[in-house]
Amino acid sequence: KAGVTQTPRYLIKTRGQQVTLSCSPISGHRSVSWYQQTPGQGLQFLFEYFSETQRNKGNFPGRFSGRQFSNSRSEMNVSTLELGDSALYLCASSLDPRNNSPLHFGNGTRLTVT
Amino acid sequence: GENVEQHPSTLSVQEGDSAVIKCTYSDSASNYFPWYKQELGKRPQLIIDIRSNVGEKKDQRIAVTLNKTAKHFSLHITETQPEDSAVYFCAAYSGSNYQLIWGAGTKLIIKP
Repeated sequence: KAGVTQTPRYLIKTRGQQVTLSCSPISGHRSVSWYQQTPGQGLQFLFEYFSETQRNKGNFPGRFSGRQFSNSRSEMNVSTLELGDSALYLCASSLDPRNNSPLHFGNGTRLTVT
Repeated sequence: GENVEQHPSTLSVQEGDSAVIKCTYSDSASNYFPWYKQELGKRPQLIIDIRSNVGEKKDQRIAVTLNKTAKHFSLHITETQPEDSAVYFCAAYSGSNYQLIWGAGTKLIIKP
């Protein structure tokens, strides 16, 4: 079974630009969660999508948005990039976290904002 | 809001010794407690989990204990090896807001 795939692996953007990150979950997984991880920091929850609906949201500004498609693939968008948005963005798929199904993480997209 | 406190932030142990990482959660409705290991430059991976109806669970050199009354759970690693060096994250599934609440992570260093 293929794992969680995130593209691209690396991204360099300029302040003020916008960026879209992609996540393909494990086949059969309907939940996709997104996390931000900065150096030395933990996992900051962005949002979770389940069957194309945002089911949960963390404490991030509205510049961070996402969506999920009918095939469970998910995209995350960050608009008006700031230097502080530089981080590793991880997505994780699951059958359904509400049933205590474990999260399977992708390798992440490392975003650098200059 | 709900939170999970994780201690220590850094733990250095001699190879072969045991390591213990502790987490305390605030939501009494939490019922699921996973532990993830993140090696340097890699993605977090589940290493063990425990549900609220169980007090202890073991998997080879790794064990997790849960004290529901005190609302804390711990990860125990015995006979530590160099490959145990990583950042370990605990989490608690909050039944109140249907979300995994994460600890801040513990960097485990195994000294040769």
